[in-house]
Amino acid sequence: DAGVIQSPRHEVTEMGQEVTLRCKPISGHNSLFWYRQTMMRGLELLIYFNNNVPIDDSGMPEDRFSAKMPNASFSTLKIQPSEPRDSAVYFCASKNGHGANVLTFGAGSRLTVL
Amino acid sequence: DQQVKQNSPSLSVQEGRISILNCDYTNSMFDYFLWYKKYPAEGPTFLISISSIKDKNEDGRFTVFLNKSAKHLSLHIVPSQPGDSAVYFCAARTNAGNMLTFGGGTRLMVKP
Repeated sequence: DAGVIQSPRHEVTEMGQEVTLRCKPISGHNSLFWYRQTMMRGLELLIYFNNNVPIDDSGMPEDRFSAKMPNASFSTLKIQPSEPRDSAVYFCASKNGHGANVLTFGAGSRLTVL
Repeated sequence: DQQVKQNSPSLSVQEGRISILNCDYTNSMFDYFLWYKKYPAEGPTFLISISSIKDKNEDGRFTVFLNKSAKHLSLHIVPSQPGDSAVYFCAARTNAGNMLTFGGGTRLMVKP
């Protein structure tokens, strides 16, 4: 299995531009999570999906952030418009089933907003 | 309000000695705890876990201790190796939840 696949690995953009991060979870995993890592806050949960349905988006910082999961093998996290304070590493993770405890993470997408 | 805290941002240890990483939590509904290790430019990877019905879990050089009354857990690495140098995240889950709450991480440096 190729694991959780994220793209792009690195993104540099200018303030005000739209950013789209992509994630392909492990096949068969029905829960998908988006986390953000910053120096100040560590790893914080932004949103998670169960069976493609958003369950908890309370961690999404602002309306500028949105996430979708159109099918079981693909999710996007969009920031529009982007701001310098959005600069961080964004991780996608997946797991199999509600009872499972261990998340498998992707390698992350490092976003720099100038 | 951070429900999972790792108060030491960094730790430096000599190779062969014990590394002790600490984690405190505030939510008494947490019933499962995990440690993840993260190397630069990689995603966090699962290391070891413990259920709240236990107070110790061991896997090779890694042991996790849970003190529920103090709402404290620790990860012991014995003996420490240079390859253990990484950022370690503590995480917790409630029995009703499907998500993990992470601490801020501790950067461990093991010196040869």
